[in-house]
Amino acid sequence: EDQVTQSPEALRLQEGESSSLNCSYTVSGLRGLFWYRQDPGKGPEFLFTLYSAGEEKEKERLKATLTKKESFLHITAPKPEDSATYLCAVQARGTDKLIFGTGTRLQVFP
Amino acid sequence: SAVISQKPSRDICQRGTSLTIQCQVDSQVTMMFWYRQQPGQSLTLIATANQGSEATYESGFVIDKFPISRPNLTFSTLTVSNMSPEDSSIYLCSVETSSSGRAWDTQYFGPGTRLTVL
Repeated sequence: EDQVTQSPEALRLQEGESSSLNCSYTVSGLRGLFWYRQDPGKGPEFLFTLYSAGEEKEKERLKATLTKKESFLHITAPKPEDSATYLCAVQARGTDKLIFGTGTRLQVFP
Repeated sequence: SAVISQKPSRDICQRGTSLTIQCQVDSQVTMMFWYRQQPGQSLTLIATANQGSEATYESGFVIDKFPISRPNLTFSTLTVSNMSPEDSSIYLCSVETSSSGRAWDTQYFGPGTRLTVL
């Protein structure tokens, strides 16, 4: 069964303190792995799509990496505005369905 | 990317009634999806709606409870029928489109409809 597990569930960082969020997955042939950011009361905001092991993508303070079993979202020198829930999802080959993890709730305090 | 709007943004409904949620996209898309996000949980796909064909429902979701319309390439509706408090959730529509030249790329989400059933 296709499955996504995210850790930690919650993370508190001081402003400027870099860290990483983990997304472990099992899928019957990976079509894509997705990272989203979700603010309270809003829909998920697309961040990255990764397609194959070894791929990396960056956007501002965020960098996503992918291996055959997991993905990491690295946050460098975070700011309070980076506080949000970060969701990871996988899409298996032959399907359009996204399977989501339960997310990591990130708080960055000054 | 795609700009997606949903109506209503939130509603409070009585048990046994029905609510229709609208989803409008600013460009023509083939694939539209409806997800549910229950309190404190992640997103679960309800169904996939392609224009010109019947919606495809995931296990645990049925057409009588969640009828979907897809009259054109920019619009879809989801109805939550005969509601109970267990239907209290955020309902989100999404579309699959390309931003990198691939035939497909990712799914973009609307802002969601927050439904509370009393």
